[in-house]
Amino acid sequence: DVKVTQSSRYLVKRTGEKVFLECVQDMDHENMFWYRQDPGLGLRLIYFSYDVKMKEKGDIPEGYSVSREKKERFSLILESASTNQTSMYLCASSLKNTEAFFGQGTRLTVV
Amino acid sequence: GQSLEQPSEVTAVEGAIVQINCTYQTSGFYGLSWYQQHDGGAPTFLSYNALDGLEETGRFSSFLSRSDSYGYLLLQELQMKDSASYFCAVSTGGFKTIFGAGTRLFVKA
Repeated sequence: DVKVTQSSRYLVKRTGEKVFLECVQDMDHENMFWYRQDPGLGLRLIYFSYDVKMKEKGDIPEGYSVSREKKERFSLILESASTNQTSMYLCASSLKNTEAFFGQGTRLTVV
Repeated sequence: GQSLEQPSEVTAVEGAIVQINCTYQTSGFYGLSWYQQHDGGAPTFLSYNALDGLEETGRFSSFLSRSDSYGYLLLQELQMKDSASYFCAVSTGGFKTIFGAGTRLFVKA
């Protein structure tokens, strides 16, 4: 069974902290994505990666960075967490640009 | 700008048929996808349409009209477990997919 695993379901961090969200997939997919999901706004793309060490900005990259050192792992980094980054973060992977497989999400609260 | 429009909420009765519409305005178009998300769960893939027409998968069907920039998801023989949020999504090229805000479906007994 295909699997995308996010390291934490819930996180609480303080304003100004550096935050790492980790995502691992076991499907050997080239493409990996980070979205944030907010009520009434759907899923918005933060960053994506189509190969190891390759990254592309999505629609809302400000305040975030990513790292992809290995094919199966894609990390989202909040350089200095702010309260407006409180959200649900979803990681996804795909082989083609059709079906994406999502992790269970990390609900991040910044206080 | 790029946008996808879908109704925010739909309510239907168990056993009925419901249609969730999606209109899109994007700079590129490769295909329209639909995802289901239960509360607290991950979005799961339902269907993908790259060409005009109807695709059927069990109780769920999805339709696309590229000339009208329009698609819909049709759910038949509704069950209580179909209560969830449904997202349409457009693959715009370059590995990017844009999601709509989601439609919350309530199925009543």
